[in-house]
Amino acid sequence: KQEVTQIPAALSVPEGENLVLNCSFTDSAIYNLQWFRQDPGKGLTSLLLIQSSQREQTSGRLNASLDKSSGRSTLYIAASQPGDSATYLCAADTGGFKTIFGAGTRLFVKA
Amino acid sequence: NAGVTQTPKFQVLKTGQSMTLQCAQDMNHNSMYWYRQDPGMGLRLIYYSASEGTTDKGEVPNGYNVSRLNKREFSLRLESAAPSQTSVYFCASNPGITEAFFGQGTRLTVV
Repeated sequence: KQEVTQIPAALSVPEGENLVLNCSFTDSAIYNLQWFRQDPGKGLTSLLLIQSSQREQTSGRLNASLDKSSGRSTLYIAASQPGDSATYLCAADTGGFKTIFGAGTRLFVKA
Repeated sequence: NAGVTQTPKFQVLKTGQSMTLQCAQDMNHNSMYWYRQDPGMGLRLIYYSASEGTTDKGEVPNGYNVSRLNKREFSLRLESAAPSQTSVYFCASNPGITEAFFGQGTRLTVV
């Protein structure tokens, strides 16, 4: 059974710092790995999706990597801003319409 | 472009009452999903619909029923609400093995 873990559960950094959020999954047989952002009381917004054949995806200050062999994905945020404060979730698509979500990392960027 | 629309946004039920959560998407997606999100846990799949006319159980289907009314609409029904069903419910859709789009969520409290 696929399990997705995100560590740390919460993170507080000063503005301008580069940071890495971690996501690990137990079964490497995934179709894709997706990173989402969730603001308090809101739905999820897709940030980046990495197909199983890809190693990384970039969008602006965000870079997500995928290493299936080690069961890990990272989300790199460059030059963090207070507006980046949110919960970040990763999700592994295992096929068969089953996507397994991590519990998320709550990020707080201090001005 | 509305995306995925859920109603209602908030609801309080008494134990034993019934209600239906509505979801509609305007992106012509085949697949639609219902998740619940509880504190400290990732989203868990309740039911999904791979295409119009089909529905299947997810990880936590007990106590729920669904209807895929047409390609646009996918509803979730609680026949006899229980306090354990207090949660935030999200509807999502996607066109296949690509990024998912989420509604804003329904915050349900069962007392």
